[in-house]
Formats: sequence, C-alpha cells, structure tokens
Amino acid sequence: QSALTQPASVSGSPGQSIIISCTGTSGDIDNYNYVSWYQQHPGKAPKLMIYEVTNRPSGVTNRFSGSKSGNTASLTISGLQAEDEADYYCSSYTRSSAQVFGTGTKVTVL
Amino acid sequence: EVQLLESGGGLVQPGGSLRLSCAASGFTFSTYTMSWVRQAPGKGLEWVSSLSGSGANTYYADSVKGRFTISRDNSKNTVYLQMNSLRAEDTAVYYCAKGVRGWNLRGDYFDYWGQGTLVTVSS
Repeated sequence: QSALTQPASVSGSPGQSIIISCTGTSGDIDNYNYVSWYQQHPGKAPKLMIYEVTNRPSGVTNRFSGSKSGNTASLTISGLQAEDEADYYCSSYTRSSAQVFGTGTKVTVL
Repeated sequence: EVQLLESGGGLVQPGGSLRLSCAASGFTFSTYTMSWVRQAPGKGLEWVSSLSGSGANTYYADSVKGRFTISRDNSKNTVYLQMNSLRAEDTAVYYCAKGVRGWNLRGDYFDYWGQGTLVTVSS
C-alpha cells in the first residue's frame, strides 16, 4: 500500500491555471476510475473536491476539474484564487480492497 | 446536515490501548460505509480502516492490521476504532469519514469528515 506520488508543491499567480499530478500503479489508478481529490486548509478537515476521476460534488466550483490517463490522475484548478491556497490529496481504490492517498501537494498562490 | 463528532483521543503510553468513537447524525447511518483516516503531525493523510454499512465487511491498512479493530453500533449511529499495542508512529489526528457505498469499499470515497481527535503515543 505505497502512497500515490504527487509533487510536493505547485504555485501560480491569481487567474492562472495549475495542474497537480497523482501517479499510481496498475494496482490502483490504472485499473480503476475511482480517483478522488481532497482539499485541506491548515488546521481543518479535508473536503471532497472531485470523485470518480471527473465528477464535482454539489457546491464545488467548476474551476476544479479532474482527469486521468493511464496510471496518472490530474487535478486542474483554473482561474486560481487566494482561497485555493491549501494542501491537496488524491486518493484511489486499490486492487487489495483498500484505499490509498497521495503524498499531498501544497498549492501556493503567488 | 451531516455531522461527525469524534472523541476518545488523548495521551497513551507505547503498548497501550485507546478507543475512539465517532457519533454521526444527519443521514441514514446504517446505509453507508464509515472509515477512519489519520494524519501524523505535519504529514499527509493515511487511510486506516473502513467497514460496510452492516458492519459485516471490514478493511484495514497493513500498518494497523492485527492491532486496530473497527466496529459500529447502528442503533447508536456510532463507529468505533479500538487501538491496541500502540506505537509512537500511531501519533496522529484521527478523522472519521463517511463513505458513499454501502456494502463494500469498491469505488468508495469520503464525502463528509469530522474535525478529528488527536492521539499521542508517548512515554
């Protein structure tokens, strides 16, 4: 159950778009469309942003979008805003009937 | 409104035990999987354990298998995490999270989270 691999940090200026990658293996991302993404502000609980690779829960702005190609999933944040500064984690269902999170990415708005 | 309220955290010595509770409200509790996810200080999220709505199916991370036991009481809308043989590396904030599946973990994700309870394992 090794963690999925994410870049430690990504930054962008207000209004720009950024992409966070999440790399797994054939035991998770590559074989299942069960990737989710969570946003976590300091000292707060995580919040669901994307589920099943591309779907947004009700109430989440359409500036957040998800995609997947092979064993890599991606989260795109468009029109970057100051409130988007947070940590982001991907997660996937795995072949061993478990869940695995990514290593986490700190997003900084310059 | 969905609410998840964790309790039971605290300071425990290595080798000790602790039981966490998570009281849920605002949804039909017995219908959904429930999970525990932890976060060590300054570190990332780590999935710990999940169980099905009926409690019949349980799942554990390798790091806690054989030491932790997840259970639920659907009459009390509460999920528990019994933690035995605790180690320093179990020190973390433990979050309770609601899943969207009912029977098993396949395709599950976490749509609501509690605020967490801190467990510190230290002598």
